[in-house]
Amino acid sequence: AQSVTQPDIHITVSEGASLELRCNYSYGATPYLFWYVQSPGQGLQLLLKYFSGDTLVQGIKGFEAEFKRSQSSFNLRKPSVHWSDAAEYFCAVGEPGGGNKLTFGTGTQLKVEL
Amino acid sequence: ETGVTQTPRHLVMGMTNKKSLKCEQHLGHNAMYWYKQSAKKPLELMFVYNFKEQTENNSVPSRFSPECPNSSHLFLHLHTLQPEDSALYLCASSQDWTGGNTIYFGEGSWLTVV
Repeated sequence: AQSVTQPDIHITVSEGASLELRCNYSYGATPYLFWYVQSPGQGLQLLLKYFSGDTLVQGIKGFEAEFKRSQSSFNLRKPSVHWSDAAEYFCAVGEPGGGNKLTFGTGTQLKVEL
Repeated sequence: ETGVTQTPRHLVMGMTNKKSLKCEQHLGHNAMYWYKQSAKKPLELMFVYNFKEQTENNSVPSRFSPECPNSSHLFLHLHTLQPEDSALYLCASSQDWTGGNTIYFGEGSWLTVV
């Protein structure tokens, strides 16, 4: 069975600083990979997704993620964080050919200091 | 108007009550989902309907009963719940059950069982 690990439960960064959120997965082949963001009181919004091809994926709100097969990782990055980026971020994996079932990580709560 | 609308946003119910959560999607999608989000746990997929047919039931207790009368509407009927069922229930939709389709989430219904 596939699994997703987000090792950082909480991260605090200063506004304007760079950000990297870690995601590691366990799956035999290359899964579909996703990052979602959840603002307080809101549902989840897709930031970006990776299926195949270029391992650096651009998303909305200035986010990008890089798939590294050798490390089974799909880390999310942003060069300069804005206060409005404070939210919870979820990494998720889907199994190609396994329907649209996603396995989610436990999330990373991002706090942005002004 | 948001793509996926859930009502009510907040619900408090006793363990012997019967209540229902409602979800409506305005995206023209054919697959609809119920997820459970509990604190410090990954999102749990509960049910999936694809073209009104139930595709997934992840061993959900029978006190949760889904209903999908058409591709735009999804209900979760609640009966004799337990306090541990208190959580955020997220409805979602996607084009269909094919893997890799973006899943769009509603804002959730906060359920408290007393």
